[in-house]
Parts: sequence; structure tokens; C-alpha cells
Amino acid sequence: KAGVTQTPRYLIKTRGQQVTLSCSPISGHRSVSWYQQTPGQGLQFLFEYFSETQRNKGNFPGRFSGRQFSNSRSEMNVSTLELGDSALYLCASSVGGGMNTEAFFGQGTRLTVV
Amino acid sequence: AQKVTQAQTEISVVEKEDVTLDCVYETRDTTYYLFWYKQPPSGELVFLIRRNSFDEQNEISGRYSWNFQKSTSSFNFTITASQVVDSAVYFCALSERGFGAGSYQLTFGKGTKLSVIP
Repeated sequence: KAGVTQTPRYLIKTRGQQVTLSCSPISGHRSVSWYQQTPGQGLQFLFEYFSETQRNKGNFPGRFSGRQFSNSRSEMNVSTLELGDSALYLCASSVGGGMNTEAFFGQGTRLTVV
Repeated sequence: AQKVTQAQTEISVVEKEDVTLDCVYETRDTTYYLFWYKQPPSGELVFLIRRNSFDEQNEISGRYSWNFQKSTSSFNFTITASQVVDSAVYFCALSERGFGAGSYQLTFGKGTKLSVIP
């Protein structure tokens, strides 16, 4: 069974640009969550999608957005990049995203903003 | 707000020593789940264990064991006879109710970096 796949693995962007990250969940998983990991703030929840609907959102500015397609694949977009957006972005998928759900994580996309 | 605290930022042990990673959490919910994840250098978080708030029975799985004490809001993780392959960052997490119906999110501690020296 294939795991969670995130592409690309590495990205270097310039301040002010926008970027799109992709996540392919495990087959059959309908919930996809995104997390930002930085040395200072640790792992922070960005948002969760379930059946193409954003069901939950963390405390991030509107520059961070996402979507989910009918095949459960998800993308997140960051517009007007800032230096502080440099981070490892992790995607996690689960069957239903419930309280007791084991989330499966991808290897992440490491974004560097210069 | 819910919170997870891992007071140990980094720990170094010599191979075959036992090591305990501490986790303290805060929540107002009566029903909740706690998790431990491991993050090796490759980056992905690997699920280790989950425990619900009504199950305080401690668990042992091979060299791993977990001690959940609701009275002290702690969920500690012990590795017995540590090995070099155990070197990773370990995260404790609390499942927190989200805004949307049926939605939950993981609130993570800052992690403990474990280095096992041969």
C-alpha cells in the first residue's frame, strides 16, 4: 500500500512569489491535514480537508489556502511568500480524521524562501 | 487552549541505556486521545501509539512502554535498551476538537530529540 506522497520534496522561492504544494493521500483516506514545522514554532496545524470541504483551519493568515479534489488529493498554496514561511510542510492523511484516528504523514516539502 | 509540553529538548544516551521521554498536557475535554509520533531524519512522522482518556492502563510493546497518568496529566514514553536506530525526534500530541463538525486536529509538543550514542 503506497504511503502519503508529497511533491516536490524541496523548493526554493523568492519573497513575494507564490507556491503550490501537492499531497496524495493513502488510497481510501478521505481526510487530509496540513502542518507547518519550523524550529521555533514546532508543528502547527494549517487546515484539514474532508471530502473536498475545508473542515477545520488553524491560525494562519489568508495567504495560506488549500483545496482537495474528488480523488482526495490535496494542494496547499501560499501567496506573497515571506521569509518566515520557510519551513517543512507536512501532509497527513487518515480515513476519517476522527479524534482517535491514526494519521499517516508524508515526508514533507521543505520550502526555503530567499 | 489545549497545550502539550515536552520539557526535554534534547537527550543523549549511550546505547543499551533506558530513556524516558516526558509529556505533560492540558485540556478541558473529558474525552481525548494522546499520541506519540517519531520523526526520523527522513522527515515523515511515524505513529507509535495512541491512548484514550479513559484507558490508563500502561502498555508495553517490545522495547517501548508508555505510562499514562491522568491525575498528573502525563503521558510518558520509555525506551528500554536503547539502540542507535532509536535516534530521532519524538513528539507527543493531543487530539483537539476542530471548528468543523467531526473535525479534529493534533496539537503537538515541541518534540524531544533523542540521540543514542554507540
